[in-house]
Amino acid sequence: DVVMTQSPLSLPVTLGQPASISCRSSQSLVYSDGNTYLNWFQQRPGQSPRRLIYRVSNRDSGVPDRFSGSGSGTDFTLKISRVEAEDVGVYYCMQGTHWPFTFGPGTKVDIK
Amino acid sequence: QVQLQESGPGLVKPSETLSLTCTVSGGSISSYSWSWIRQPPGKGLEWIGYIYNSGSTNYNPSLKSRVTISVDTSKNQFSLKLNSVTAADTAVYYCARGLGSGGDYWGQGTLVTVSS
Repeated sequence: DVVMTQSPLSLPVTLGQPASISCRSSQSLVYSDGNTYLNWFQQRPGQSPRRLIYRVSNRDSGVPDRFSGSGSGTDFTLKISRVEAEDVGVYYCMQGTHWPFTFGPGTKVDIK
Repeated sequence: QVQLQESGPGLVKPSETLSLTCTVSGGSISSYSWSWIRQPPGKGLEWIGYIYNSGSTNYNPSLKSRVTISVDTSKNQFSLKLNSVTAADTAVYYCARGLGSGGDYWGQGTLVTVSS
Protein backbone atom coordinates (compact mmCIF):
# COMPACT_ATOMS: atom_id res chain seq x y z
CA ASP A 1 0.00 0.00 0.00
CA VAL A 2 1.07 3.60 -0.58
CA VAL A 3 2.03 5.13 2.73
CA MET A 4 1.00 8.72 3.28
CA THR A 5 2.86 10.75 5.88
CA GLN A 6 1.94 14.17 7.18
CA SER A 7 3.79 16.79 9.16
CA PRO A 8 3.29 18.18 11.61
CA LEU A 9 0.80 15.92 13.32
CA SER A 10 -0.22 18.73 15.64
CA LEU A 11 -0.40 22.36 14.60
CA PRO A 12 -1.34 25.06 17.11
CA VAL A 13 -1.95 28.28 15.22
CA THR A 14 -2.75 31.89 16.03
CA LEU A 15 -5.94 33.30 14.59
CA GLY A 16 -5.24 35.28 11.45
CA GLN A 17 -1.86 33.68 10.92
CA PRO A 18 -0.96 31.28 8.08
CA ALA A 19 -0.66 27.53 8.47
CA SER A 20 0.91 24.86 6.31
CA ILE A 21 0.63 21.06 6.31
CA SER A 22 2.98 18.80 4.41
CA CYS A 23 2.00 15.44 2.92
CA ARG A 24 4.34 12.92 1.35
CA SER A 25 3.60 9.66 -0.42
CA SER A 26 5.78 6.58 -0.66
CA GLN A 27 5.21 6.45 -4.44
CA SER A 28 4.51 8.95 -7.16
CA LEU A 29 0.81 9.83 -7.31
CA VAL A 30 0.77 10.57 -11.03
CA TYR A 31 -1.80 8.27 -12.60
CA SER A 32 -1.64 6.82 -16.10
CA ASP A 33 -4.20 9.39 -17.26
CA GLY A 34 -1.80 12.18 -16.31
CA ASN A 35 -3.79 13.31 -13.28
CA THR A 36 -2.47 13.32 -9.74
CA TYR A 37 -5.10 12.06 -7.34
CA LEU A 38 -4.04 13.79 -4.14
CA ASN A 39 -6.91 15.18 -2.12
CA TRP A 40 -7.28 17.05 1.16
CA PHE A 41 -10.04 16.61 3.72
CA GLN A 42 -11.07 18.55 6.79
CA GLN A 43 -12.78 16.77 9.68
CA ARG A 44 -14.25 19.08 12.26
CA PRO A 45 -14.95 17.64 15.71
CA GLY A 46 -17.94 15.31 15.59
CA GLN A 47 -18.39 15.66 11.84
CA SER A 48 -17.73 13.54 8.79
CA PRO A 49 -14.76 14.39 6.57
CA ARG A 50 -15.31 17.15 4.06
CA ARG A 51 -13.26 17.35 0.90
CA LEU A 52 -11.50 20.70 0.53
CA ILE A 53 -9.10 20.13 -2.35
CA TYR A 54 -9.07 17.49 -5.08
CA ARG A 55 -6.36 16.55 -7.54
CA VAL A 56 -3.71 18.61 -5.76
CA SER A 57 -5.02 22.13 -6.22
CA ASN A 58 -8.72 22.22 -7.12
CA ARG A 59 -10.81 23.78 -4.41
CA ASP A 60 -14.27 22.35 -3.83
CA SER A 61 -17.34 24.52 -4.16
CA GLY A 62 -17.96 26.53 -1.02
CA VAL A 63 -14.43 26.14 0.31
CA PRO A 64 -12.97 29.52 1.28
CA ASP A 65 -10.16 30.75 -0.94
CA ARG A 66 -7.84 30.94 2.07
CA PHE A 67 -7.32 27.21 1.49
CA SER A 68 -4.92 26.22 -1.26
CA GLY A 69 -3.17 23.06 -2.34
CA SER A 70 0.05 22.54 -4.24
CA GLY A 71 2.70 19.98 -5.02
CA SER A 72 3.60 17.24 -7.42
CA GLY A 73 4.88 13.68 -7.56
CA THR A 74 5.28 12.68 -3.94
CA ASP A 75 5.32 16.03 -2.09
CA PHE A 76 2.23 18.08 -1.43
CA THR A 77 1.18 20.99 0.75
CA LEU A 78 -2.07 22.40 2.10
CA LYS A 79 -1.92 26.05 3.08
CA ILE A 80 -4.34 28.19 5.03
CA SER A 81 -3.54 31.83 4.39
CA ARG A 82 -5.20 33.17 7.54
CA VAL A 83 -6.55 30.72 10.08
CA GLU A 84 -10.06 31.28 11.39
CA ALA A 85 -11.73 29.67 14.38
CA GLU A 86 -13.87 27.46 12.14
CA ASP A 87 -10.72 25.84 10.71
CA VAL A 88 -10.14 23.85 13.89
CA GLY A 89 -10.12 20.13 13.17
CA VAL A 90 -8.09 17.32 11.68
CA TYR A 91 -6.78 17.55 8.15
CA TYR A 92 -6.09 14.45 6.10
CA CYS A 93 -4.37 14.01 2.78
CA MET A 94 -5.58 11.08 0.73
CA GLN A 95 -4.26 9.42 -2.41
CA GLY A 96 -6.63 8.01 -5.00
CA THR A 97 -4.05 6.92 -7.56
CA HIS A 98 -3.05 3.49 -6.29
CA TRP A 99 -5.46 0.90 -4.94
CA PRO A 100 -6.17 0.66 -2.07
CA PHE A 101 -6.65 4.38 -1.63
CA THR A 102 -4.96 5.54 1.55
CA PHE A 103 -5.07 8.46 3.93
CA GLY A 104 -2.40 10.20 5.91
CA PRO A 105 -2.52 10.00 9.72
CA GLY A 106 -4.04 13.45 10.03
CA THR A 107 -2.86 16.82 11.28
CA LYS A 108 -4.74 18.28 14.22
CA VAL A 109 -5.13 22.04 13.90
CA ASP A 110 -6.17 24.01 16.94
CA ILE A 111 -5.97 27.58 18.16
CA LYS A 112 -3.15 28.70 20.45
CA GLN B 1 -28.32 19.02 -3.24
CA VAL B 2 -26.99 15.49 -3.06
CA GLN B 3 -27.33 13.82 0.33
CA LEU B 4 -26.16 10.44 1.55
CA GLN B 5 -27.52 8.68 4.63
CA GLU B 6 -26.14 5.50 6.15
CA SER B 7 -28.45 3.12 7.98
CA GLY B 8 -28.16 -0.23 9.68
CA PRO B 9 -27.68 -1.91 13.06
CA GLY B 10 -25.44 -0.11 15.50
CA LEU B 11 -24.48 -3.31 17.29
CA VAL B 12 -23.29 -6.53 15.69
CA LYS B 13 -22.13 -9.69 17.44
CA PRO B 14 -18.67 -11.14 16.77
CA SER B 15 -18.54 -13.59 13.83
CA GLU B 16 -21.80 -12.19 12.41
CA THR B 17 -22.34 -10.02 9.33
CA LEU B 18 -22.37 -6.23 9.37
CA SER B 19 -24.89 -4.85 6.88
CA LEU B 20 -25.26 -1.18 6.04
CA THR B 21 -27.20 0.73 3.43
CA CYS B 22 -26.53 4.15 1.99
CA THR B 23 -29.53 6.01 0.60
CA VAL B 24 -28.77 8.66 -1.98
CA SER B 25 -31.11 11.59 -2.47
CA GLY B 26 -30.92 14.59 -4.76
CA GLY B 27 -29.38 12.70 -7.64
CA SER B 28 -29.34 9.43 -9.54
CA ILE B 29 -27.16 6.63 -8.22
CA SER B 30 -26.71 5.31 -11.75
CA SER B 31 -24.47 8.13 -12.91
CA TYR B 32 -21.64 7.77 -10.42
CA SER B 33 -19.38 5.42 -8.55
CA TRP B 34 -19.81 4.92 -4.82
CA SER B 35 -17.55 4.09 -1.91
CA TRP B 36 -17.46 2.92 1.69
CA ILE B 37 -14.87 4.25 4.14
CA ARG B 38 -14.51 3.56 7.84
CA GLN B 39 -12.88 5.19 10.86
CA PRO B 40 -12.26 3.31 14.13
CA PRO B 41 -12.97 5.50 17.17
CA GLY B 42 -10.18 8.02 17.62
CA LYS B 43 -8.24 6.70 14.64
CA GLY B 44 -7.65 7.37 10.97
CA LEU B 45 -9.59 6.59 7.81
CA GLU B 46 -9.62 3.37 5.78
CA TRP B 47 -11.09 3.00 2.30
CA ILE B 48 -13.09 -0.24 2.31
CA GLY B 49 -14.08 -0.48 -1.34
CA TYR B 50 -16.14 0.91 -4.16
CA ILE B 51 -18.62 0.07 -6.86
CA TYR B 52 -18.58 1.55 -10.33
CA ASN B 53 -21.77 2.66 -12.04
CA SER B 54 -21.20 -0.41 -14.25
CA GLY B 55 -21.62 -2.60 -11.17
CA SER B 56 -18.03 -3.78 -10.97
CA THR B 57 -16.38 -3.58 -7.58
CA ASN B 58 -12.99 -3.28 -5.96
CA TYR B 59 -12.22 -4.10 -2.36
CA ASN B 60 -9.36 -3.29 -0.03
CA PRO B 61 -7.14 -6.39 0.02
CA SER B 62 -7.05 -6.20 3.82
CA LEU B 63 -10.79 -6.94 3.84
CA LYS B 64 -11.35 -8.47 0.42
CA SER B 65 -12.48 -11.93 1.46
CA ARG B 66 -15.11 -10.50 3.82
CA VAL B 67 -16.58 -7.56 1.90
CA THR B 68 -19.39 -7.21 -0.59
CA ILE B 69 -20.65 -3.92 -2.02
CA SER B 70 -23.78 -3.84 -4.14
CA VAL B 71 -26.16 -1.30 -5.60
CA ASP B 72 -29.95 -1.19 -5.92
CA THR B 73 -30.74 1.39 -8.56
CA SER B 74 -34.50 1.02 -8.08
CA LYS B 75 -34.12 2.30 -4.51
CA ASN B 76 -31.22 4.68 -5.18
CA GLN B 77 -29.23 2.80 -2.55
CA PHE B 78 -25.97 0.93 -2.25
CA SER B 79 -24.95 -1.47 0.45
CA LEU B 80 -22.03 -2.87 2.39
CA LYS B 81 -21.77 -6.35 3.86
CA LEU B 82 -18.82 -7.33 6.01
CA ASN B 83 -18.87 -10.86 7.35
CA SER B 84 -17.10 -12.60 10.22
CA VAL B 85 -16.72 -9.34 12.12
CA THR B 86 -14.50 -8.89 15.16
CA ALA B 87 -13.97 -6.05 17.61
CA ALA B 88 -11.42 -4.63 15.16
CA ASP B 89 -14.31 -3.83 12.81
CA THR B 90 -15.83 -1.40 15.32
CA ALA B 91 -15.83 1.92 13.53
CA VAL B 92 -17.83 4.78 12.11
CA TYR B 93 -18.78 3.73 8.59
CA TYR B 94 -19.17 6.38 5.90
CA CYS B 95 -20.59 6.16 2.44
CA ALA B 96 -19.39 8.57 -0.21
CA ARG B 97 -19.83 9.46 -3.85
CA GLY B 98 -16.75 9.04 -5.99
CA LEU B 99 -13.38 7.33 -6.12
CA GLY B 100 -9.89 8.63 -6.75
CA SER B 101 -10.76 12.27 -6.33
CA GLY B 102 -11.77 11.42 -2.80
CA GLY B 103 -15.51 11.69 -2.86
CA ASP B 104 -17.31 14.99 -3.12
CA TYR B 105 -20.28 13.98 -0.98
CA TRP B 106 -20.12 11.97 2.22
CA GLY B 107 -22.75 10.68 4.60
CA GLN B 108 -22.77 11.69 8.24
CA GLY B 109 -21.48 8.27 9.24
CA THR B 110 -22.88 5.53 11.42
CA LEU B 111 -21.14 3.91 14.37
CA VAL B 112 -21.12 0.15 14.33
CA THR B 113 -19.94 -1.62 17.47
CA VAL B 114 -18.97 -5.27 17.41
CA SER B 115 -19.67 -6.79 20.78
CA SER B 116 -21.46 -9.72 22.31
